[in-house]
Amino acid sequence: EVQLVESGGGLVQPGGSLRLSCAASGFTVNDNYMSWVRQAPGKGLEWVSVIYSGGSTFYADSVKGRFTISRDNSKNTLYLQMSSLRADDTAVYYCARMILAVKYAFDIWGQGTTATVSS
Amino acid sequence: QSVLTQPPSVSGAPGQRVTISCTGSSSNIGADYDVHWYQQLPGTAPKLLIYANTDRPSGVPDRFSGSKSGTSASLAITGLQAEDAADYYCQSYDNSLSAYVFGTGTKVTVL
Repeated sequence: EVQLVESGGGLVQPGGSLRLSCAASGFTVNDNYMSWVRQAPGKGLEWVSVIYSGGSTFYADSVKGRFTISRDNSKNTLYLQMSSLRADDTAVYYCARMILAVKYAFDIWGQGTTATVSS
Repeated sequence: QSVLTQPPSVSGAPGQRVTISCTGSSSNIGADYDVHWYQQLPGTAPKLLIYANTDRPSGVPDRFSGSKSGTSASLAITGLQAEDAADYYCQSYDNSLSAYVFGTGTKVTVL
């Protein structure tokens, strides 16, 4: 079964760091485009970052220089390293796959993991 | 702030047809980037509903349809059902931001 499972969320103080993980099954992370999308409480969806199959990475302006997306082929896992966290980074973070078959729409989503930035 | 604008809410009685607009600009929808639509039921992750403007993934009922023209796109739901009550988001790519962008979201209420 094709599936994504996020973990690593929690409560962190402003200025702190957190690393989110997204374990994939049923497909290979390295062979696909993978993104992180977040949703602040009561708000809409916001794209955060993408890593393409070739390894290129891109970020939303709101997180550029603070967040780093990466992947581990041996663990078939996607990561999001978040640092210098601010209160407005509080959100549910979803990982999602993007494939050519659906013109790189986000076709598979994880269940989400919640990051709360608060003192 | 999202660069794709949707109405905050639409509503309809069971069996009716509702449409949701998604208005962009020349740097996203108008630049011929594909528009995708997602359904988010309360407390759950989004689900892909329409991809590449008009296509449905397998398993999505044909009550859902998409269209695109110029700098806008639309999602139509015909034969509205109680289970269609959810938030709906459009999504595309913006070349001036070099970013994937989502619409502001629309809450569908079944009366």
